Amino acid sequence: KAGVTQTPRYLIKTRGQQVTLSCSPISGHRSVSWYQQTPGQGLQFLFEYFSETQRNKGNFPGRFSGRQFSNSRSEMNVSTLELGDSALYLCASSSLMARGHEQYFGPGTRLTVT
Amino acid sequence: GDSVTQMEGPVTLSEEAFLTINCTYTATGYPSLFWYVQYPGEGLQLLLKATKADDKGSNKGFEATYRKETTSFHLEKGSVQVSDSAVYFCALTPARGGSEKLVFGKGTKLTVNP
Repeated sequence: KAGVTQTPRYLIKTRGQQVTLSCSPISGHRSVSWYQQTPGQGLQFLFEYFSETQRNKGNFPGRFSGRQFSNSRSEMNVSTLELGDSALYLCASSSLMARGHEQYFGPGTRLTVT
Repeated sequence: GDSVTQMEGPVTLSEEAFLTINCTYTATGYPSLFWYVQYPGEGLQLLLKATKADDKGSNKGFEATYRKETTSFHLEKGSVQVSDSAVYFCALTPARGGSEKLVFGKGTKLTVNP
């Protein structure tokens, strides 16, 4: 079974631009979550989707948005990029939206904002 | 809100040494507890988990016991190998609601020397 895939793996953008990151979950998984990883703040929760519905959102500004499609693929968008948005963005999927259920992480998209 | 505190390290050990990475949490009720591992250039992999008090999670020689009385979930391994060199994250999923949102500690970098 193929794992969680994220595209692109690396991205360089300029301050003020916008970016869209993509995540394809493991086949059959309907729950997708996004996390931001930075050296200073560590791993922080961004969003959680289940069956195309956003079920939970982290404490990030409105410039960060996301969505999930009917095939469970998910995208996240960051508008008006800031230098502080440089981070590794990780996507995770699981088969059930239930507490304690294992989440499988993708390799991440490394975003650099210059 | 819910939080996780773990020793930040870095931790440097010789091969076959005993490993302990401390993790304590603050949460309402009985959260689910996890240890994830991140190898260089990769996403996170679930190492082990425990979903109720006194449960012991174990995998690949690593163990951790859910201690409600001390709100702890310390990671241990009796004999580390060079291949265990990675960053280890303690995490929890809150007890309330059906969310899979993970709250992570800052991570502990482990280096094992031959």
